[in-house]
Amino acid sequence: AQTVTQSQPEMSVQEAETVTLSCTYDTSENNYYLFWYKQPPSRQMILVIRQEAYKQQNATENRFSVNFQKAAKSFSLKISDSQLGDTAMYFCAFMKRTRGGSEKLVFGKGTKLTVNP
Amino acid sequence: NAGVMQNPRHLVRRRGQEARLRCSPMKGHSHVYWYRQLPEEGLKFMVYLQKENIIDESGMPKERFSAEFPKEGPSILRIQQVVRGDSAAYFCASSPGTVPTDTQYFGPGTRLTVL
Repeated sequence: AQTVTQSQPEMSVQEAETVTLSCTYDTSENNYYLFWYKQPPSRQMILVIRQEAYKQQNATENRFSVNFQKAAKSFSLKISDSQLGDTAMYFCAFMKRTRGGSEKLVFGKGTKLTVNP
Repeated sequence: NAGVMQNPRHLVRRRGQEARLRCSPMKGHSHVYWYRQLPEEGLKFMVYLQKENIIDESGMPKERFSAEFPKEGPSILRIQQVVRGDSAAYFCASSPGTVPTDTQYFGPGTRLTVL
């Protein structure tokens, strides 16, 4: 079974600065996806970024980028130029890749990020 | 282009009553997933359905819980004889079910409170 660990329950950062959220996972699979989802106070789950394990290049989405280290089973999220609207819970998630389509997501417990003005 | 719709957004039930949670996937999506989030916790997988089929129900309690995704209409998560421990946020997600674009998109959730 896969497990996802987020070792930082809470973090804070000043507006405009950079912050990195950690995530490690455990799996025996070779083909899989990794995701970061954001859950603001509204409780809506919003996809932030996605990474395919077979791609060596780290995914980026505007101010969000990942550092994917497959051998170390590490998948950290870097948020640059932090904004007040980035305040949220951030969840790291793992999904096995199959030919038949989708699989369930396995989530970490989350990191609560607060961006201070 | 409407996203995943869930209703109701908030549901209050007394112990012993039934709760019915509805989820309409995004247009073009044929795969539906239900997750439960307890307070201060991450989301936990419950069940994965395609039209008229349950694909994986390994995360769903064996008793009192059931799910369906009929040929027509929304997916339904049904909880019979609710207990206080069922109080949680229930999220539905959908995906097109085609590799590699099988990212799951979430609805706004239904917050169930059992009195």
